[in-house]
Parts: sequence; structure tokens; C-alpha cells
Amino acid sequence: TQTVSQSDAHVTVFEGDSVELRCNYSYGGSIYLSWYIQHHGHGLQFLLKYYSGNPVVQGVNGFEAEFSKSDSSFHLRKASVHWSDSAVYFCAVSARTGKLTFGDGTVLTVKP
Amino acid sequence: DMKVTQMPRYLIKRMGENVLLECGQDMSHETMYWYRQDPGLGLQLIYISYDVDSNSEGDIPKGYRVSRKKREHFSLILDSAKTNQTSVYFCASSPGTGGYEQYFGPGTRLTVL
Repeated sequence: TQTVSQSDAHVTVFEGDSVELRCNYSYGGSIYLSWYIQHHGHGLQFLLKYYSGNPVVQGVNGFEAEFSKSDSSFHLRKASVHWSDSAVYFCAVSARTGKLTFGDGTVLTVKP
Repeated sequence: DMKVTQMPRYLIKRMGENVLLECGQDMSHETMYWYRQDPGLGLQLIYISYDVDSNSEGDIPKGYRVSRKKREHFSLILDSAKTNQTSVYFCASSPGTGGYEQYFGPGTRLTVL
């Protein structure tokens, strides 16, 4: 079975700062990795995914994530955050069974 | 514009009543999902549907059943609702069967009194 760990429950930054949200996974085989964002009172929105190839993948709204097999990680980054990036961010893994396993989420707060 | 819709958005029921939550998608996605989200528990998978009449239990199927008679429509049914089924329910759809890229609806907030 696959597991996902998001070590930071809360991250607070100021507008214009860079941010990295961490995600580590465990699984022995090939997996898909993805990130989702959930604004308060809304459903999850797909940000980006990785399966193979270039380990740095670009997503919507300036987000990118980098896959590292050696570290079993898939961290999400943004160079300059905006107040509207305040949300809960979920990392997820899929072993191509159709099921996603979600992390517990990281609450990102962007202060003005 | 790709969209997953859910009806109703808010619902209050009494314990023992039947509940029907509806989900629709306009992307012709094969796979659809029902989740519930509770504070501190994250997202829990209730059921997956791989296509019409091809449904599979998720991690917490007890107390729920589903119906998918058309590809674009997926229903969640609670027969005799219980208070511990108070939650926010999300429907999602995904192209193919890999499940790694899912599109979520806005959610239904269900309260069972």
C-alpha cells in the first residue's frame, strides 16, 4: 500500500515570499504523484501531476513540484505567493488502481 | 468548461431518513468517485465507479450505496441516515482509470439530526 506524509500542518508566509510545501511518500512500485488545492468552502482543484520524465513539473498559477526518487519526495513550490494562494494543499499518490491516497494537507496562510 | 456538479449543496435530514446525493460531469470521464471529508480525518473514499454499472467499494463503504446508470451521472444513497454520516461529501471524476488527475465538485454539506 502507498502512504503519503505532509510533515507541515501549517505554513505561514508573507505575500511575495517563496514557499515550499513538503510531501513524502512510500510505495515500492510505479506511482503517480499529484497536488491539489482546496480553498475554504470549495472542492479540491487539481494543480499538477508527475509520473515520469522531467522531475520538475509545472502546474497552474505558477506552482511547480519536483520529484525525487532518492528522497521519496514530491515537494510543491511557488516563487512568489499571493494572498489568494491561502488554502489547504493536498499531496496525493496513485498506484494506477484508480484510487488516490491523500496526505493530511498543509494549511498555507499568506499574510499581506 | 470542464465541470463537476453536485446537488443539493446543503441538506438537513433526520436520522432514519433516506438521502440521495447527485453528481454530474460533462467531460465524459470514465471514472467517478464519492468521498467524505471530516475535520481531522481528511478525505475518505466511499465508492469508485469505473463506468456504467461498474462500481467498487472504497475504504468506507458501510452505510452507503451508489448508482451509475449513465456515464455522466453518479448517485450516492444513504438508506436510513445516521448522525455519524454528517459530513461534507465530494464527488469527483477522472479520465481513464488511473485516478491520478481528479476533478472535484463543490461538495454537499449533509447534516443528519
